[in-house]
Amino acid sequence: GESVGLHLPTLSVQEGDNSIINCAYSNSASDYFIWYKQESGKGPQFIIDIRSNMDKRQGQRVTVLLNKTVKHLSLQIAATQPGDSAVYFCAENMAGNQFYFGTGTSLTVIP
Amino acid sequence: DAGVIQSPRHEVTEMGQEVTLRCKPISGHNSLFWYRQTMMRGLELLIYFNNNVPIDDSGMPEDRFSAKMPNASFSTLKIQPSEPRDSAVYFCASSLSAGAGTEAFFGQGTRLTVV
Repeated sequence: GESVGLHLPTLSVQEGDNSIINCAYSNSASDYFIWYKQESGKGPQFIIDIRSNMDKRQGQRVTVLLNKTVKHLSLQIAATQPGDSAVYFCAENMAGNQFYFGTGTSLTVIP
Repeated sequence: DAGVIQSPRHEVTEMGQEVTLRCKPISGHNSLFWYRQTMMRGLELLIYFNNNVPIDDSGMPEDRFSAKMPNASFSTLKIQPSEPRDSAVYFCASSLSAGAGTEAFFGQGTRLTVV
């Protein structure tokens, strides 16, 4: 999962396996959360979002889980593919305020 | 829509020179954000605008950094004078509105190298 500091957490998974990437957010008043994917040389790209009145949201091959009690967010990727290799960021947002990003987790998919 | 457009994609400059980064947000978006990304500090928000007005510039490192948004379709981030520690990737992002549960769309970034 993500952590504050200089080292980017890494996760290696076999192609076809499921991936789980974790994030601890900081502000209990945050009410909107986003997962972004960043490939090398590109800007962060929106994957999926969730609002604080939900605890789970599903997209295509991705699921986001929100646990407000412990301020924890996770991204699950089903049947991980080589194209999923990237750095994944969670971002938290409080209405009327800016987005705050975590330090990111590097996902490597092994063919 | 072509998305958020940043220029230049790469910039190499000598210490002490002025650097200007440019951003064209997505048409219709009311909020614009400037971020800096480094290996040491990750993605840091420098400043954001709402309806062309700077709302929060507390992330701007120091007076050498300035940002403007003269109209809804253009913003600049200027560093004068530049220093080697400013080397980073600078991203511009835009959203329909800051907060209110809308995602920010990022440009491809400008990789700045100050030598």
